[in-house]
Amino acid sequence: RKEVEQDPGPFNVPEGATVAFNCTYSNSASQSFFWYRQDCRKEPKLLMSVYSSGNEDGRFTAQLNRASQYISLLIRDSKLSDSATYLCVVSSNNFNKFYFGSGTKLNVKP
Amino acid sequence: DGGITQSPKYLFRKEGQNVTLSCEQNLNHDAMYWYRQDPGQGLRLIYYSQIVNDFQKGDIAEGYSVSREKKESFPLTVTSAQKNPTAFYLCASARPADNSPLHFGNGTRLTVT
Repeated sequence: RKEVEQDPGPFNVPEGATVAFNCTYSNSASQSFFWYRQDCRKEPKLLMSVYSSGNEDGRFTAQLNRASQYISLLIRDSKLSDSATYLCVVSSNNFNKFYFGSGTKLNVKP
Repeated sequence: DGGITQSPKYLFRKEGQNVTLSCEQNLNHDAMYWYRQDPGQGLRLIYYSQIVNDFQKGDIAEGYSVSREKKESFPLTVTSAQKNPTAFYLCASARPADNSPLHFGNGTRLTVT
């Protein structure tokens, strides 16, 4: 079983739509959780960390459900510029390693 | 500005040659990592290092070697033993002790023919 699993998509949505991605992780002792954005042929860039209480940054909301071992990312009022692959990242319980999901591709259409 | 520098951005080699990818960071991070990404796939860990002069194998270390002689530098050598070396290689660093995220360099795209 993979450490981190994501629906690869693609999610094709119109501008202005709300879209949500989920990601599940297998290690219940995982400590830290992040969402990264990766544009085609570029390096991943941190979108936001995910805190136990949930957190919001503008149009983006991240939530953590430790009981069910998943994290989510909600994007409101999608923009064309949001088109990218979104990577779910989980760090190990001793922070030695970071585990990546394979990414969820989002296409925002005009 | 602090950051991670990978060089070169593009690298072309003939099969059977060893090649070394450079990674330098001035973020004062203790931990550094090398990942490989193949088209349409996620990142896979090659090697990581928590402190100078120490490193551990990741999930796909075969055919690769690293060194960590300085805190700022973590070069990766792709040896001729690596069966499918063509890929996008990403170096990253972090301060694992305080729950901080990974910071990435802009990657090296290696093509071996």
